[in-house]
Amino acid sequence: TQLLEQSPQFLSIQEGENLTVYCNSSSVFSSLQWYRQEPGEGPVLLVTVVTGGEVKKLKRLTFQFGDARKDSSLHITAAQPGDTGLYLCAGGLNTGNQFYFGTGTSLTVIP
Amino acid sequence: EADIYQTPRYLVIGTGKKITLECSQTMGHDKMYWYQQDPGMELHLIHYSYGVNSTEKGDLSSESTVSRIRTEHFPLTLESARPSHTSQYLCASSEGAGQETQYFGPGTRLLVL
Repeated sequence: TQLLEQSPQFLSIQEGENLTVYCNSSSVFSSLQWYRQEPGEGPVLLVTVVTGGEVKKLKRLTFQFGDARKDSSLHITAAQPGDTGLYLCAGGLNTGNQFYFGTGTSLTVIP
Repeated sequence: EADIYQTPRYLVIGTGKKITLECSQTMGHDKMYWYQQDPGMELHLIHYSYGVNSTEKGDLSSESTVSRIRTEHFPLTLESARPSHTSQYLCASSEGAGQETQYFGPGTRLLVL
């Protein structure tokens, strides 16, 4: 059973389009992270959100943590080919020190 | 820039061989992890360590074993490789006791024939 479900699993869009990736759970997380992984490399942290309702922006990327801290979203404005990669959310529970990774969203931006 | 290294990057090996995947970090991090990942798919935690002489199994059952004799080194060993072990293996580390950033190595892509 996956603690964090991401949707969609695969996404292929044209350059310039907007998109949103979702990360959902029935569990409450003390913090949630988003990573991006390029082919042949390890994941790299994009952002950490810790407060319910928190919104963080990183250039064309907007991250939101749900009010109840059970879900998060990643919105990309005017996608570019350089955004292509696997996007992973990861959450930490209040109990224990382990992070749980989501099922992943594979994004392809076509020039 | 994360200083975590994995060798080899690619490995093709025959069934029944013993292999060791190396992982080293120069950041002095106490916590280290091994994940298994099929291409473009989710990460599955197979082993983790909170410090020297501490190792635990992760959520995904694995026939591999790990050791943590030194802070900077966390090797993973398969005593007898099988085709079902074909996958990408990612090593990561993080500092301290909180739920902080994990820094990943570039991964080892393993193919067992």
